[in-house]
Amino acid sequence: DADVTQTPRNRITKTGKRIMLECSQTKGHDRMYWYRQDPGLGLRLIYYSFDVKDINKGEISDGYSVSRQAQAKFSLSLESAIPNQTALYFCATSEGYSGANVLTFGAGSRLTVL
Amino acid sequence: LAKTTQPISMDSYEGQEVNITCSHNNIATNDYITWYQQFPSQGPRFIIQGYKTKVTNEVASLFIPADRKSSTLSLPRVSLSDTAVYYCLVGEAGGSYIPTFGRGTSLIVHP
Repeated sequence: DADVTQTPRNRITKTGKRIMLECSQTKGHDRMYWYRQDPGLGLRLIYYSFDVKDINKGEISDGYSVSRQAQAKFSLSLESAIPNQTALYFCATSEGYSGANVLTFGAGSRLTVL
Repeated sequence: LAKTTQPISMDSYEGQEVNITCSHNNIATNDYITWYQQFPSQGPRFIIQGYKTKVTNEVASLFIPADRKSSTLSLPRVSLSDTAVYYCLVGEAGGSYIPTFGRGTSLIVHP
């Protein structure tokens, strides 16, 4: 099994629908992140969490929300999806304060909003 | 937060050595340099991390000069499968560092 698992891997939805992307990890890492990638661009940070009780906005959090249900689970929600949220979404984890901050990524969730 | 600058794209041929340089003029004392590789439609994968001088693993070497204002990722004898985007990140190990990605360097290896 993968260290970082994202579900679903692919999703097509319509404008206005609520969508949840889920991420679970077996690394035992404290820190979890959600990134978005658009074609030809780098990864942009949506939200991050340094532990279960810590949630922080990244550079492009508008239109998104997150939930850290447990150390191992970090979900990203689009309350009302719009077409410009069509992108590839990545979840990542890293160790906490004593770690090397090396990121482990999931395989990605491709979201298409029609 | 140390800003990084790397070439947008590079081309090479199979069997050649490829060097990708990243500039990070305002690197802080506690910052490490980390490189990731990303294939199309896959998540980035850690390649190598270093603080100073030279680090080598089974995939690549990382050269860091004494002033640490730049670093060079060296891929020996590249193959077609090394075609990918390579990202250079600079930040402290642990602490409050938030990993931020630029556009990376798109390496295309030709037959």
